[in-house]
Amino acid sequence: EIVLTQSPATLSLSPGERATLSCRASQSVGIYLAWYQQKPGQAPRLLIHDASSRATGIPARFSGSGSGTDFTLTISSLEPEDFAVYYCQQRSDWPLTFGQGTRLEIK
Amino acid sequence: QVQLVESGGGAVQPGGSLRLSCAASGFIFSTYGMYWVRQAPGKGLEWLAFIRYDGFNKYYAASVKGRFTISRDNSKNTMYLQMNSLRAEDTAVYYCSKGMDQKISLNYFDYWGRGTLVTVSS
Repeated sequence: EIVLTQSPATLSLSPGERATLSCRASQSVGIYLAWYQQKPGQAPRLLIHDASSRATGIPARFSGSGSGTDFTLTISSLEPEDFAVYYCQQRSDWPLTFGQGTRLEIK
Repeated sequence: QVQLVESGGGAVQPGGSLRLSCAASGFIFSTYGMYWVRQAPGKGLEWLAFIRYDGFNKYYAASVKGRFTISRDNSKNTMYLQMNSLRAEDTAVYYCSKGMDQKISLNYFDYWGRGTLVTVSS
């Protein structure tokens, strides 16, 4: 099973700041990694797929990078609505797996 | 617009069974793989099961293999999850989700339902 490890567990930042979230895979997943945002009481929303492609309707402040085992989600300038939990997910092999999540909270 | 609506959740005793349904609309259901993902209270996301667009291929997470069965009825645009031998650790919100790419098994999830809560407790 491919284990995805996200860091940090919690990130405290202020609106307008830049957020950098990390996801590390236990083995190479190529570019087959996605990022999701989840707000309390809501289903996850797909933000980024194939490491760096924004999903439909996702603002340009969200960007993804990386390949192999190390991936980054960057939010260039935080908006109030961006404070949420973020998950990475790989589709390189079965079972499909998620990281444990990074909570982005308002400082 | 794509809609996924789960139903069938509720409270059940350990060892009991439940059948979840996921009604889909707004896309050609018969051409997409479908998935179940769950989230225990206060925890992260766990993929559970996949069914191919035509129903002929299925995969399960180790945690539910042999206890849960995924199925679909393309004539009704509906997917199901039969859950047997339920345990306390199966308590979670269960989401159905749609694969992003047509006719692909290993996929991302581009649409999600709102989820249905399953509580396993005596």
